Amino acid sequence: DGGITQSPKYLFRKEGQNVTLSCEQNLNHDAMYWYRQDPGQGLRLIYYSQIVNDFQKGDIAEGYSVSREKKESFPLTVTSAQKNPTAFYLCASSLNRVTEAFFGQGTRLTVV
Amino acid sequence: KQEVTQIPAALSVPEGENLVLNCSFTDSAIYNLQWFRQDPGKGLTSLLLIQSSQREQTSGRLNASLDKSSGRSTLYIAASQPGDSATYLCAVVTSSNYQLIWGAGTKLIIKP
Repeated sequence: DGGITQSPKYLFRKEGQNVTLSCEQNLNHDAMYWYRQDPGQGLRLIYYSQIVNDFQKGDIAEGYSVSREKKESFPLTVTSAQKNPTAFYLCASSLNRVTEAFFGQGTRLTVV
Repeated sequence: KQEVTQIPAALSVPEGENLVLNCSFTDSAIYNLQWFRQDPGKGLTSLLLIQSSQREQTSGRLNASLDKSSGRSTLYIAASQPGDSATYLCAVVTSSNYQLIWGAGTKLIIKP
């Protein structure tokens, strides 16, 4: 089936650790996005990529890093510099930036 | 700066009622507007996308309207069912930089 797969579903991070969230899509979409969702707030854009080997910072990029080495993959690393990383992380993709967006099932990250 | 607002934040109605969810945006220079559904702990599912040149879109029991000049969109749900219980989010793609700007969502509960 075509879609977006995020893994893992749940992730626990110790203080000072870097962790990487996986996002893979088989929709042949050029654009991919990472969002953070906190209770009672709208989605906030962390990073987006319009094409392979290119990505741009969103509104809350500090403490995060990404790579886009393959069209189908857009992993997000939450670094130790991110002071409040506990949140629900959503990956999305679309043909381009103005077409319908499709989302993965999310990864819930908790700092322990 | 574009801002998207969804009021009310939560809504509870008996099963079978027709209902309207509201989305307002401050800048009418949009490319399109999208409505999504999110079940607890899950990713987002795209419901309807309305281009800026369109007035409405329909899918099954859902009808979304767009009034760009007044900065408003409504999502009409006919004959509501308990399975419609979810959080509904709207988002606009801005014409200036093709950013997707999100509302905080309306949590809908349909009582059997």
